[in-house]
Parts: sequence; C-alpha cells; structure tokens
Amino acid sequence: SAVISQKPSRDICQRGTSLTIQCQVDSQVTMMFWYRQQPGQSLTLIATANQGSEATYESGFVIDKFPISRPNLTFSTLTVSNMSPEDSSIYLCSAYGQGRSEQFFGPGTRLTVL
Amino acid sequence: DAKTTQPTSMDCAEGRAANLPCNHSTISGNEYVYWYRQIHSQGPQYIIHGLKNNETNEMASLIITEDRKSSTLILPHATLRDTAVYYCIVRPRGSNYKLTFGKGTLLTVNP
Repeated sequence: SAVISQKPSRDICQRGTSLTIQCQVDSQVTMMFWYRQQPGQSLTLIATANQGSEATYESGFVIDKFPISRPNLTFSTLTVSNMSPEDSSIYLCSAYGQGRSEQFFGPGTRLTVL
Repeated sequence: DAKTTQPTSMDCAEGRAANLPCNHSTISGNEYVYWYRQIHSQGPQYIIHGLKNNETNEMASLIITEDRKSSTLILPHATLRDTAVYYCIVRPRGSNYKLTFGKGTLLTVNP
C-alpha cells in the first residue's frame, strides 16, 4: 500500500485569501488525484496531476481557482485561491500504490473559510 | 464507468454479518467492482475488488452474481468501528483510471 500524508490537517482562513495544501506519498507514483468533499456530500474529483505535465481538471474546476503543482513523483500541492465560504470542504489527495490497482487516500485537509 | 446503485443507509447489529448490496447492471466486460469505505472525517479506505469470482480478504468478502450485474460486500462480524459510508465503484483495472464516487451506503453498526 501507499502511505499518503497531507499538510495542513485543518485550517481556518479568511475570505479572499489562498491556501496551499501539500501531499506527500511514501513511494514514487505516476498519477496523483485531488478530491473535494463538501459537507455531507460524497467525494468529487478536482483534477489529476501527472508529473511533468499540466494537471487535468474535471468539469467545473479551473486552474485559476485550483492551481496544482507536481514537481516530482512523490509530491503535489493544491492551492485553493481567492477563497469564499463555499470552498469550505475536506480536500483529499490520493494515488495508486506501486503496481497496484487500488487508490490510497490521504487523511484529508479540513478547510473552513470565514 | 458503469453507474452503481446502493441503498442510502443500512443498520446492522454488532457481531452479526453486514451484507451491503450494489447494483451495476451496465457493467462492461473489462470493469471490476471495487469497494471503499469512509469512516467519519477520514480519507476513504480500500476494502476489496473483484471481476467475476468471489473474493475474500482479511476485511471482507465480495460476492458477484454470475451475470455480474450486482454484488454484495459482506463484513462477517461487524463491529462498531465498521460504522462508515461504503462506496461501490465500477471501473477498469489498472492505475490509470480515476474513481467516481456515488453517494454510497451509510452502514450503522448498533451495539
């Protein structure tokens, strides 16, 4: 399995500011995924981050709002820009374990925007 | 990916088997059935997956019907810690596919 950590685990931010969430995997992985889980809802995929190329965003999500970096095969960041209270959610990072067909998830970052 | 249908919620008594159904009538030949669960405020956890044969691991058993249009996840001896939302997801095997989460089934294990 892959062990995935995220920083910060939670944060409370002011409207109009930005927050960068870090995701670290304990092994090299090709694809990393960023999800959002709004209160009481299921997970929604934001984007897929491949090393060495631009992230691929799902419908309804744009790079200006959720810029993603993928500098190497074990690390990625997601920035939530110009935040509003509607961005209050849990943000989760995931990746496939090496040679595995199942995804493993980080513990999530709980974001509250005031 | 094929669409799945799960009950919104289920209850189970502690120590009894929990049987969680999933319908996936449009599943295609190269698609596997995956199960994940999410305990409150944690990241989803992989449980088990299968193609057409029944599968068992240390966490659960997966029973897939012969026509592959439905499946059942079985937790043989449910504990309070098994209270979670359980997601049934159908997708091709391999590490190049995104997961699409439905609403899942909230399983509540009662003492």
